[in-house]
Amino acid sequence: AAGVIQSPRHLIKEKRETATLKCYPIPRHDTVYWYQQGPGQDPQFLISFYEKMQSDKGSIPDRFSAQQFSDYHSELNMSSLELGDSALYFCASSLEGQGDYEQYFGPGTRLTVT
Amino acid sequence: TQLLEQSPQFLSIQEGENLTVYCNSSSVFSSLQWYRQEPGEGPVLLVTVVTGGEVKKLKRLTFQFGDARKDSSLHITAAQPGDTGLYLCAGATGGSNDYKLSFGAGTTVTVRA
Repeated sequence: AAGVIQSPRHLIKEKRETATLKCYPIPRHDTVYWYQQGPGQDPQFLISFYEKMQSDKGSIPDRFSAQQFSDYHSELNMSSLELGDSALYFCASSLEGQGDYEQYFGPGTRLTVT
Repeated sequence: TQLLEQSPQFLSIQEGENLTVYCNSSSVFSSLQWYRQEPGEGPVLLVTVVTGGEVKKLKRLTFQFGDARKDSSLHITAAQPGDTGLYLCAGATGGSNDYKLSFGAGTTVTVRA
């Protein structure tokens, strides 16, 4: 079965640069969630989209923005990168429009800021 | 502050023994999900429990949701080395079309052969 696809899998950036992470949800899934997982920590919710509209916002810095496109893929844009942004970034998708709220996670993007 | 408290943080047992991981909170959740995560990879969904008092079984794994939907447990019977990994519980909060997950800190399980 198709899973959540994230790209790139690894990304190295310097401080103050920008980064764009992409997420392709499971086909027919209408909801996308972004999570950030620091070293040795549990995933922290950043932001979510349902049917291309932002549905909730968590601990996402103002330097970050995200959107969901007409084909349901989502992009997380990160600007003015800081060393502390180094983490694993996960995207998860679900089919909440039909009451199925189980979230399936992608393999993640490991962002390293130097 | 962790919304979900997981215990123990680390668990090391011999192959064939049983183990239980607990996930507790003072908050009520719409549902609670258990994931297993390998280093550097995404969490893999094991089970979702929705109804208070619900018990679900997945081979040697038994999951229970508390009657008040505030806590859950994962019990592994006759653990095998392949069960080694990080187990995360996650509670879903929010309204319709918005079920963000709050994770516990995780339990690292090591099963020795």
